Amino acid sequence: GIQVEQSPPDLILQEGANSTLRCNFSDSVNNLQWFHQNPWGQLINLFYIPSGTKQNGRLSATTVATERYSLLYISSSQTTDSGVYFCAATPYSGAGSYQLTFGKGTKLSVIP
Amino acid sequence: DTGVSQDPRHKITKRGQNVTFRCDPISEHNRLYWYRQTLGQGPEFLTYFQNEAQLEKSRLLSDRFSAERPKGSFSTLEIQRTEQGDSAMYLCASSSAGYGYTFGSGTRLTVV
Repeated sequence: GIQVEQSPPDLILQEGANSTLRCNFSDSVNNLQWFHQNPWGQLINLFYIPSGTKQNGRLSATTVATERYSLLYISSSQTTDSGVYFCAATPYSGAGSYQLTFGKGTKLSVIP
Repeated sequence: DTGVSQDPRHKITKRGQNVTFRCDPISEHNRLYWYRQTLGQGPEFLTYFQNEAQLEKSRLLSDRFSAERPKGSFSTLEIQRTEQGDSAMYLCASSSAGYGYTFGSGTRLTVV
């Protein structure tokens, strides 16, 4: 199946700082999503972005499908941004093409 | 659109007992998925339904696990003869073609 790798595994930021999270994937993708998991375990969908660039407020994401990576940008970080950020993907075709495979996540801590 | 609903939110059961979880997907979504997440890990795929048909099952889904989606609406996940290793967060998600997955808040299972 597809492999999804995220970096860095842990990130500590001062409030107001910017950050970039990276996701590498091993195969062509049909679906790529970024999620934020809050302390209560809820997975919040941030972006559905198999290719291209999207922005939503202080967050933006870019996926370069030909080079098999995606980036999540967080600007002017706030303490409420803390949590685990997951990248997840499904392969473009073949077995498991509906199995959203998750990376191990980036644990972000934003300190005041 | 009320999102994906899961019930119960928490379940504590004794080893050897059977448990059943329910998921109500977004009504317009014909695809439904079950995932399992253990502490410090990303969610892992368990099974996938398109309408009422169960199309994919992970090797993680042992014979003690069974899932149904009668009439292509809500779904249930049953675990028979629970073991301590079954303790985890069980997540349900739904999607439709060309759109991302939306996850529910999950059911946290503790087997004592």
